[in-house]
Amino acid sequence: EDQVTQSPEALRLQEGESSSLNCSYTVSGLRGLFWYRQDPGKGPEFLFTLYSAGEEKEKERLKATLTKKESFLHITAPKPEDSATYLCAVLDDWYNNNDMRFGAGTRLTVKP
Amino acid sequence: KAGVTQTPRYLIKTRGQQVTLSCSPISGHRSVSWYQQTPGQGLQFLFEYFSETQRNKGNFPGRFSGRQFSNSRSEMNVSTLELGDSALYLCASSFGGEGDTQYFGPGTRLTVL
Repeated sequence: EDQVTQSPEALRLQEGESSSLNCSYTVSGLRGLFWYRQDPGKGPEFLFTLYSAGEEKEKERLKATLTKKESFLHITAPKPEDSATYLCAVLDDWYNNNDMRFGAGTRLTVKP
Repeated sequence: KAGVTQTPRYLIKTRGQQVTLSCSPISGHRSVSWYQQTPGQGLQFLFEYFSETQRNKGNFPGRFSGRQFSNSRSEMNVSTLELGDSALYLCASSFGGEGDTQYFGPGTRLTVL
């Protein structure tokens, strides 16, 4: 059973067209939910950490929100440089320490 | 503040050989985790080291091993390489506390021929 499911798998937007990416999770106890951005051939770049339902964090055109079952990454007025794969990961009470479980990612393409 | 560094960035090996990858964490971070990333399986956890001790291990065969030194630098070794070991190997460092954010290095791209 997948712990972390991201949707959609791929998303194509026009520059300026806002949208949201979804990350749904099933854990015994959430110790943290993380969003990363990954460009081809590079390591994931940290974006946000969320710890409890109702928490929200923002950075430039990105805003992450968390509920008890899912997290959303909202992208407002995206630009071509926002094109990347967005990964979410969870830390679960069931597993020890820093064993992060990743979703498969959403590949975002923003066309000018 | 310098980020996580990994060496080498690229490696080409043949089946049956072994390989050692190196990771230097962010200054002050005591936890280093290793991940394997492939197109088919995505990012999968290999193991975590904290204060020179392996604290957690993923579901990988014993051919995958690691260690951590007193300065928190870590190495990962893969013995008897198989074609399926071709992947991007990523290390991530954190302070090591519960729920702490992990910061990733650029990765080592390993190709097994």
